[in-house]
Amino acid sequence: KQEVTQIPAALSVPEGENLVLNCSFTDSAIYNLQWFRQDPGKGLTSLLLIQSSQREQTSGRLNASLDKSSGRSTLYIAASQPGDSATYLCAVRPPPGNTGKLIFGQGTTLQVKP
Amino acid sequence: NAGVTQTPKFRILKIGQSMTLQCTQDMNHNYMYWYRQDPGMGLKLIYYSVGAGITDKGEVPNGYNVSRSTTEDFPLRLELAAPSQTSVYFCASSETGGLHNEQFFGPGTRLTVL
Repeated sequence: KQEVTQIPAALSVPEGENLVLNCSFTDSAIYNLQWFRQDPGKGLTSLLLIQSSQREQTSGRLNASLDKSSGRSTLYIAASQPGDSATYLCAVRPPPGNTGKLIFGQGTTLQVKP
Repeated sequence: NAGVTQTPKFRILKIGQSMTLQCTQDMNHNYMYWYRQDPGMGLKLIYYSVGAGITDKGEVPNGYNVSRSTTEDFPLRLELAAPSQTSVYFCASSETGGLHNEQFFGPGTRLTVL
């Protein structure tokens, strides 16, 4: 059974720091992996989607990498800002890939202090 | 476009009561999903639908029912509410179940069962 784990559960950093959030999954048979952002009391917003054949995706100050064989993904945030404070969730798309189903990690809550 | 909308935002139920959580999307998406998120945990899939008239169970379907009579609407029904159903419920949609498809999330319904 696929399990997705995110460590640490919470992280506090000073503004301007570069940081890495980790996501691991137990079964390498995935179709893709997504990183989401969740603000308090709000729904999820998709940040980056990496297909299983890709190694990384970039959007602005965000860079996500995927190492399927080792069951790991990282989300790199450059030059963090207070506005980056949120919970970040990763989710994998297991087979069969055409149902759209996702399996989520429990999230890392990030606080960026001014 | 309003995207994915959910009503109500908050609800308190007594044990044994029933209710329907509403979800509507205006993006003409075929796929719709219901997730629940318990405190400090990731999202778990309750039910999903690949089109009007078609629904299927996710990871945690017990105690819930769904229907999909139109493309736009995907209501979630709780019969005989139990304290274990206290959670935040998110509805999501995607154009298809394809590997490049993003899921778009509603703002959530916070449900407490006392």
